[in-house]
Amino acid sequence: ETGVTQSPTHLIKTRGQQVTLRCSSQSGHNTVSWYQQALGQGPQFIFQYYREEENGRGNFPPRFSGLQFPNYSSELNVNALELDDSALYLCASSLELAGGPEQYFGPGTRLTVT
Amino acid sequence: SQKIEQNSEALNIQEGKTATLTCNYTNYSPAYLQWYRQDPGRGPVFLLLIRENEKEKRKERLKVTFDTTLKQSLFHITASQPADSATYLCALPGYSSASKIIFGSGTRLSIRP
Repeated sequence: ETGVTQSPTHLIKTRGQQVTLRCSSQSGHNTVSWYQQALGQGPQFIFQYYREEENGRGNFPPRFSGLQFPNYSSELNVNALELDDSALYLCASSLELAGGPEQYFGPGTRLTVT
Repeated sequence: SQKIEQNSEALNIQEGKTATLTCNYTNYSPAYLQWYRQDPGRGPVFLLLIRENEKEKRKERLKVTFDTTLKQSLFHITASQPADSATYLCALPGYSSASKIIFGSGTRLSIRP
């Protein structure tokens, strides 16, 4: 088990609503990345936060936003939910290293939009 | 744009045999490549990272090769066990941003007793 935790485990929301997902990174890790994983697909990179600043973003619209706090925990916010947002949302923490950090994933939050 | 391809079909292997999974990529030369294991309903677990100047890397029963000419990585599990059954994902850093990790869609491996 990694030291990365996510909450909630499962969530059901209605189209048009807003949702906040939370992640606590592994002790000592200052970088958090968020991914969306649809069924049968690999994780898709949403964005990364390094020392409270966004450090890279994937092809997701602005209604996907995030925050990283001084203790390196993080939030993913999604506004105006759409049916296609139904997926497993994963966060991964890492210690920023040159040449490719290992990422430690949390168990994920399963979001269902109806 | 970058593309990663893994065996889309599930791989069924007899216990004790060597399982070999393939990851092909196009359009650029990454500095490293990673392999992860993912069990149903859980987050991926990091297994191995191999850098562009390394041809091969081993960890217990796992072996990864990285051929930058063929743009291919092979992932081997020797003496496979039913507990090795899972989906295996390869991942590369993004071309435009190293922080953007690109994952393949994964290969589902089943080891039958």
